[in-house]
Amino acid sequence: QAVLTQPSSLSASPGASASLTCTLRSGISVGTYNVYWYQQKPGSPPQYLLRYKSDSDKQQGSGVPSRFSGSKDASANAGILLISGLQSEDEADYYCMIWHNTAVVFGGGTKLTVL
Amino acid sequence: QVQLVESGGGVVQPGRSLRLSCAASGFTFSTYGMHWVRQAPGKGLEWVAVIWYDGGKKYYADSVQGRFTISRDNSKDILYLQMNSLRAEDTAMYYCARYGPGASLDYWGQGTLVTVSS
Repeated sequence: QAVLTQPSSLSASPGASASLTCTLRSGISVGTYNVYWYQQKPGSPPQYLLRYKSDSDKQQGSGVPSRFSGSKDASANAGILLISGLQSEDEADYYCMIWHNTAVVFGGGTKLTVL
Repeated sequence: QVQLVESGGGVVQPGRSLRLSCAASGFTFSTYGMHWVRQAPGKGLEWVAVIWYDGGKKYYADSVQGRFTISRDNSKDILYLQMNSLRAEDTAMYYCARYGPGASLDYWGQGTLVTVSS
């Protein structure tokens, strides 16, 4: 079982909100981790979006709009990236990440289509 | 502004070696840890290795442990990745990234492509 699982794709309409999930493997509690999110557009390197631990411990990447935000769903053992007011330029691959046992682990990525 | 420029990629035969470099500028390189992350064609991100700001600690992904070595030269502001015993599955775009505030990977280079093929 992968450490981090993301849905492979998600579609949403312009102006709507999109909730991207990152589920941690059973036995690893999302509450103890910082969850990081990255955006990658075709032909470009990933760009850091934000870090979320809790509402009192979070960090926005430099220049990242506030319509990108993080949260957690403890019942689902998942980190969440919420994108509000979707724009066509938000169409991209999104990756979650955690530090686990002195190693960095990435989720498999979610391809977000805005249509 | 922070700049990371990778170089050294190319086509190499299985079993051979290659050394990648990442030239850093726009920040005090010697005070930041650095990562290598790779991405196979059409696939997701895979973390490769991290090195502490002073080179004192290094950690590797299981897939490269014992074959790859991360190092740095703080006098030249350059990060390296020595890759030995290369395999077809090492074919990927290799990115260097800064170990930023909050343990994020906050800045990334444009990448250098490594193709392992006979």
